[in-house]
Amino acid sequence: AQSVTQPDIHITVSEGASLELRCNYSYGATPYLFWYVQSPGQGLQLLLKYFSGDTLVQGIKGFEAEFKRSQSSFNLRKPSVHWSDAAEYFCAVGPFTGGGNKLTFGTGTQLKVEL
Amino acid sequence: DAEITQSPRHKITETGRQVTLACHQTWNHNNMFWYRQDLGHGLRLIHYSYGVQDTNKGEVSDGYSVSRSNTEDLPLTLESAASSQTSVYFCASTQGSGGTDTQYFGPGTRLTVL
Repeated sequence: AQSVTQPDIHITVSEGASLELRCNYSYGATPYLFWYVQSPGQGLQLLLKYFSGDTLVQGIKGFEAEFKRSQSSFNLRKPSVHWSDAAEYFCAVGPFTGGGNKLTFGTGTQLKVEL
Repeated sequence: DAEITQSPRHKITETGRQVTLACHQTWNHNNMFWYRQDLGHGLRLIHYSYGVQDTNKGEVSDGYSVSRSNTEDLPLTLESAASSQTSVYFCASTQGSGGTDTQYFGPGTRLTVL
């Protein structure tokens, strides 16, 4: 069965510092990978996604992620964090075996930004 | 602008009552999903639909039901609410069937079962 692991429940960084959020997946075929962000009291918004091609993908708000098949990872990065980036971040993998577009989500990483 | 809305945004109910959470999207998407979000579990899929009259169970479907009578709406019903169903519920939709399409999420409904 497919699964997603986000090892860090909470991360605190200073504004202006670089950020890397970890995501490891388990999937039997070529995965489709997503990063979503959830601001307090809001729904989830897509940051970026990977399904083929260049393994380094660019997203919105200055985020990028790199797909590393050998490590089963899809880590999210940002070179300089802004206070408005404080939110919860979810990694997801799909589709479910057998087709369709259901996603499996990780448990999330809560990002706190210190001013 | 197209959007996906959920109502109510907050709901308090009592154990044993039937509760229905509404989800309405104006994207004209074929696919709709219901998730629940709980601390330590992330988002878990409850039910989903790939079109009118189509419904399917997700990984945590016990105690929940859905129906799809039109493209725009996928209401989620808790037949007999239990305290274990206290959670934040998100509805999402997407158009394609290949797995690469973005899922668009509603703002969520916070449900408390007393």
